[in-house]
This record gives sequence, structure tokens and C-alpha cells, in this order.
Amino acid sequence: NAGVMQNPRHLVRRRGQEARLRCSPMKGHSHVYWYRQLPEEGLKFMVYLQKENIIDESGMPKERFSAEFPKEGPSILRIQQVVRGDSAAYFCASSPSQQGGNEQFFGPGTRLTVL
Amino acid sequence: GIQVEQSPPDLILQEGANSTLRCNFSDSVNNLQWFHQNPWGQLINLFYIPSGTKQNGRLSATTVATERYSLLYISSSQTTDSGVYFCAVRHAGGTSYGKLTFGQGTILTVHP
Repeated sequence: NAGVMQNPRHLVRRRGQEARLRCSPMKGHSHVYWYRQLPEEGLKFMVYLQKENIIDESGMPKERFSAEFPKEGPSILRIQQVVRGDSAAYFCASSPSQQGGNEQFFGPGTRLTVL
Repeated sequence: GIQVEQSPPDLILQEGANSTLRCNFSDSVNNLQWFHQNPWGQLINLFYIPSGTKQNGRLSATTVATERYSLLYISSSQTTDSGVYFCAVRHAGGTSYGKLTFGQGTILTVHP
């Protein structure tokens, strides 16, 4: 049973470009969460999605960031017009449901570097 | 929102020593997880432990939900235990939905 998959593992972008980060949840999991880890910091929640729905985006920056989890395919975290402050590790997690505080399983992360 | 504090912030051990890491949280939770972030940055699930006690090899964890803390015990530490240990909780009340709130972590260094 494959775990949470993320790609790419490393992504380098120049300021002003777009970054697209992909996450495939574990088999049987329909809930996806994105977290960001800035250098030397802990992880911070960004957004929680179910298929075709954004449930909680309270941790998303107001501009340039968006997320989706379409009916088919992986969840995508999109960062437009990247700036150096976006350099971080972005982790995706999945759980089978939101009820009862189910355990979340994390992917290996995507390390974004903005030049 | 809920606050999560971990202690100590840094811990240096000799191989073979035992250690206890603590996680305090400020309100009721219905999910508590411990993670190990290895030197390559990967997050490894250690325990899902909203209450009670669990053991897995040299590691064990206890959560006393009514007193709002959790402990992670590492016995006979090895150099491969080095890394950052995170506690994360899901707030049982309010509009937290499914999100986990992380502590700042304990940086563990085990010397041979």
C-alpha cells in the first residue's frame, strides 16, 4: 500500500515564475491537507480539501496561493509569481476521513527554492 | 487557536541514554501525533495517541488528555534517533476541522 506521494521532491523557480506542487493521497483516503515548513521553523497548516471541495483555507496566504483537489487526479498547490519568502518545504498529508480526528499520514515533501 | 509547547527545545545525548520529551497543549484535543523529522527532512509517523499509552520498540508515548500533556520516551538511544521530534494536535473544539497544530519541536542529537 503506497504512502502519500508528492512530486516533484525538489523544485527550483526564479522570482515571478509559477510553482505547481502535486500530492496523491494514500489509497482510500479522500481528505488532503497541505502544510508549509519555513527554514528553522515548525510546520504550519495551509489548507484542507476533500474531492472537489475546499473545507478550510484559513492558513493560506491571501494572494498568489491556491489549491485544488479535483475529482480525478492529484491535489495541486499552486503558487503564482513566487518570491524568495516562498522558499520552504511543502508537505501534504492525507486521512481516510475527518471524523474523530483520524491519523494523518505525511508525504516526503516538496522543497521549493526560489532564486 | 490551540497552543502547543514542546520541551526541551534541544537535547544532546550519548548513545545508549534514555530521554523524555514533553508536549503541553492548551485545550481539548481529539488527535495527537508524534513525528520524527530525520536529517533528510522526511516526517515519520511515530504515534497516533490522543489518549493512553503505546509502545513501539524502544519508543513509547503517553497522553494524559485531562491534564493536557503527552510524553515521548526514547530508551537506549541510537545515532539514527537524531533529528527533530514534533508533537501535533487537532483541537477538539471550535472550527479547527481536520488541521493539525504543530509544536516547535525538540532537536535531538545523539553522539556515538
